[in-house]
Parts: sequence; C-alpha cells; structure tokens
Amino acid sequence: AQSVTQPDIHITVSEGASLELRCNYSYGATPYLFWYVQSPGQGLQLLLKYFSGDTLVQGIKGFEAEFKRSQSSFNLRKPSVHWSDAAEYFCAVGTDSWGKLQFGAGTQVVVTP
Amino acid sequence: GAVVSQHPSWVICKSGTSVKIECRSLDFQATTMFWYRQFPKQSLMLMATSNEGSKATYEQGVEKDKFLINHASLTLSTLTVTSAHPEDSSFYICSVGGRNEQYFGPGTRLTVT
Repeated sequence: AQSVTQPDIHITVSEGASLELRCNYSYGATPYLFWYVQSPGQGLQLLLKYFSGDTLVQGIKGFEAEFKRSQSSFNLRKPSVHWSDAAEYFCAVGTDSWGKLQFGAGTQVVVTP
Repeated sequence: GAVVSQHPSWVICKSGTSVKIECRSLDFQATTMFWYRQFPKQSLMLMATSNEGSKATYEQGVEKDKFLINHASLTLSTLTVTSAHPEDSSFYICSVGGRNEQYFGPGTRLTVT
C-alpha cells in the first residue's frame, strides 16, 4: 500500500536560516511526488513536483526538492527562510492517473525573528 | 492554473440537518473532482472521487449515504452532508486537475452544533 511519511510534525527555524523538510514515501511504481503549502485561510498551493528526469527540482518561492529513489525520499529545502514561509507543508504522492493524492501528515513551520 | 471556488467558505448547522457544499471549477472543465476532509491540525484525507455524469467513488470507511456527491456538470460538484453530527465538523476541500497537478479550492469550514 502507498504511504507518505513526514517525520517532523513541527519545525521552528530562524528567519534567514536554512530549512529542510523530510518526506519519505512508499509506492510500487515510479511516484508522482508533490509538495504543497497551506497558509491559514488559504487553499493549498503547489510548490513543486517530480515525475521523472532531473532529481533536483526547483519550485516557487525559492524552494527546491531532491528525489532520492534509493532512500525513497523527496525532501524539501530552502536556503534562507522568510517570515512569510511560516505555514503547513504537505508532501503528497499521486496514486492514480486522475490525480488522486495521498498526503503526508504535514509539517508546521514556525519562523522566528 | 485552474481557479477553484467553494461555497460557502464557512457554515454552521444544527445536528441532524443537512448542508450542501459547492465546488466550482471556474476555468477548467473537470470530469473528475476530488473531495478531501481535514480535521484540525491533521492532514487531508481523501473522501471520494466525483465523476461527472456518474456515481462518485468513495474511499474505504466513508459513508456514501451520509456524504452525497453530485457532479452534474463539468464545472460543478456538490457535497451534501446529510443528518450532520458534531463529529462531521471539519474542513472540506475539493480539487480538480489531472495527474500532473491538482488545483485546490479554499475549503469550507463546517461546524455542527
């Protein structure tokens, strides 16, 4: 069965510091992987996605993620966080050809001054 | 990307009553829409796949007679929570798109008193 694990429920990071959010997946075929961000009062916004090809994926807002098949991971990174990056981040795997998604539990990111 | 709206954004209803939530795809013809439920501080859980012109497909454990889904057109899907109870209080989110990307509505907060 497919699964998505985000080991960190909550991360606190100082503004300007680097950020890495972990995501591990379990999926039989080549996965379609996504990172979404959810800010209070707003819908989910896609940060980046990976289907195939270059394993280092660039997204919006300065985020990037690296797909590592050997580790079944798709970790999200940002070199220098901004206060506006405080939000809930979800890793997700596509489970069918229609776009059905299975989400990880999410990681709450708090940015301190 | 597609613009997805939901109405209402917030609703309070009394226990035992029914409430209808609309999901509209404003610029994308969606043969398939997805409905998710998100409890406070938890992840999104897929409830059902809404198929235009046919019956919805429900995930295991989701009561199809309680959560009625109608997808009468390519731009509108509705979720009706029948005989709502306090445990149905949650954040309901719809999405449209395909395997490459899903676009999410802003969500509907349902509170059952």
